[in-house]
Amino acid sequence: EVQLLESGGGLVQPGGSLRLSCAASGFTFSNYAMSWVRQAPGKGLEWVSSISGSGGSTHYADSVKGRFAISRDNSKNTLFLQMNSLRVEDTAVYYCAKEFRRSVVATVDYWGQGTLVSVSS
Amino acid sequence: QSALTQPASVSGSPGQSITISCTGTSSDIGSYNLVSWYQQHPGKAPKLMIYEVNKRPSGVSNRFSGSKSGNTASLTISGLQAEDEADYYCCSYATNTKEVFGGGTKVTVL
Repeated sequence: EVQLLESGGGLVQPGGSLRLSCAASGFTFSNYAMSWVRQAPGKGLEWVSSISGSGGSTHYADSVKGRFAISRDNSKNTLFLQMNSLRVEDTAVYYCAKEFRRSVVATVDYWGQGTLVSVSS
Repeated sequence: QSALTQPASVSGSPGQSITISCTGTSSDIGSYNLVSWYQQHPGKAPKLMIYEVNKRPSGVSNRFSGSKSGNTASLTISGLQAEDEADYYCCSYATNTKEVFGGGTKVTVL
């Protein structure tokens, strides 16, 4: 059974940093691209970032480019999102998402339960 | 990075069919057969309902179907049931941004 367990969310002041983690199990982690998708309170889904199965290719939404960094440790089946220079508008539930294939194809077949990031002074 | 365009809401009576549209551009929906649809109930994580325009994952009811014409994709729910009441999101692969979601459509079963 595929499981994605996010951690690292919480309350942070504007300008601060957080590192999200996602522990994956139930599939061969290195064979699949992974993504982070967020959802602001009462709003729709927004793609944030993706990384290929090998970790050699990364992609970012314009809204987070230069501030967020996605990475993965295939030896520990773990996905990360380093978030710096956080803004109030980054407040959202952040979902860890398993892509359908090794490369990014905009198809998520499994989602974590999400971790809430709140940016407020 | 503009989101794909979906109607804010669609409603139908039990047993009826409804269709949700998702309009993009030649840089996303129009260029790739990589359109997916997700169902999200309140407080829950999204669930994949359709991938690669018209394919259903194992376990998804055949009442759900997808299609695409030009820059517009569509999700049709036939034989509408109370449990289908949820938010639905389309998503497409895009040339520059890689992934782009629609704004979401709230489906109400009357």
